[in-house]
Formats: sequence, structure tokens, C-alpha cells
Amino acid sequence: KAGVTQTPRYLIKTRGQQVTLSCSPISGHRSVSWYQQTPGQGLQFLFEYFSETQRNKGNFPGRFSGRQFSNSRSEMNVSTLELGDSALYLCASSFRQGDTEAFFGQGTRLTVV
Amino acid sequence: GENVEQHPSTLSVQEGDSAVIKCTYSDSASNYFPWYKQELGKRPQLIIDIRSNVGEKKDQRIAVTLNKTAKHFSLHITETQPEDSAVYFCAASRAGTASKLTFGTGTRLQVTL
Repeated sequence: KAGVTQTPRYLIKTRGQQVTLSCSPISGHRSVSWYQQTPGQGLQFLFEYFSETQRNKGNFPGRFSGRQFSNSRSEMNVSTLELGDSALYLCASSFRQGDTEAFFGQGTRLTVV
Repeated sequence: GENVEQHPSTLSVQEGDSAVIKCTYSDSASNYFPWYKQELGKRPQLIIDIRSNVGEKKDQRIAVTLNKTAKHFSLHITETQPEDSAVYFCAASRAGTASKLTFGTGTRLQVTL
């Protein structure tokens, strides 16, 4: 069974640009969560999607958005990039929203210059 | 919102010794506490978890204890091995699941020969 797949693995963007990251959950999993990981702040929850609906949202500005498709794949978008958005963005999937184990992907390393 | 503090930030032990990592949380409604291990360049992986109706849980060399009154929980690793070297994150959720996890800032454990 394939794990959680995130693409691309690495990205370099310029301040002011926008970026879209993709996450394909484990086959059959319907819940997808996104986290931002930085050395200073650790892992911070961005949002959670289940059945194409955002179920929970963290404390991030509106520049951070996401969506989930009918096949459970999810994308997150960051507009008007800032230097502080440089981070590892991790996606985690669960079979359903009520599961206790979240399986993480390898992440997308975003660098904003 | 929930806040999780984790100590120490770095921990060095000799092979065979025990390691203890401690976390405190602020939201008394939190009821699910997982621990994740992240090796260098790899994804976080769940190693053990505990719910608020349980005081202690053990899985081979790993154990977690929870004190609801004091709002703190700890990870105990006995007979440490070099492959235990990694960053360990504690987390808390009020959903009783892996939904909307609040993570601690991580502990870098180094097991020396």
C-alpha cells in the first residue's frame, strides 16, 4: 500500500508569489490534515479536510487556503508569499476523521527568497 | 487555544540508559496525547499514544504516563539504543483523535555508544 505522497518535494519561490502544494493520502483514507513545520515554531496545524469539507482550521492568515477533491487528494495554496512562510509543509491522512493515527507524508520543503 | 510545552529540547543519554521527555498542556479539555518520532529527513511517525481515561500505557521499551490533574504527560524509553536517536514530539488534541493536533516543540534525543 502506497503511503502519503506529497508533491513537489522541494520548491523555491520569490516573495509575493503564490504556491500550490499537493497531497495524495493513503488509498481509502478520507481525512487529510496539513501542518507547517519550522525550527522555531515546531509543527503547527493548518487545516483538516474530510469528505471535501474543511472541518478544522488553525490560526493562520487567510493567505493559507486548501481544498480536497472527491478522490480525497488535497491541495493547499499560499498566496502573497512571505519569507516567514519558508517551512516544511506536512500532510497527514487518516481513514476517517475519528481515527487516532495520522500517517504523515515526507513533506514539501518550501523556501521563499 | 491549546498550548503544549515540551522539555528538554535536547537530551543525550548513553546506550542502555533510560530517557524521559516531559510535556505539559494548557487545555483541560484535551483528551488524546500521541507521541511522534521523526528521524532526520524523514516523516513523523506515531510511536505511542494515550487517552485521558488511562494513566499509563506501555509498548515494549516505550511507555507514556498521563497526569490529568497536573496536565502533564511523559514519554519513557528504557534500554535506549542508537536507533532511538531522533526528534520526539508530544501532541494533544481535544477531539479524542488525531484531529487538530497541537504539538510540542520537540526533543532531540541522542543515544551515544
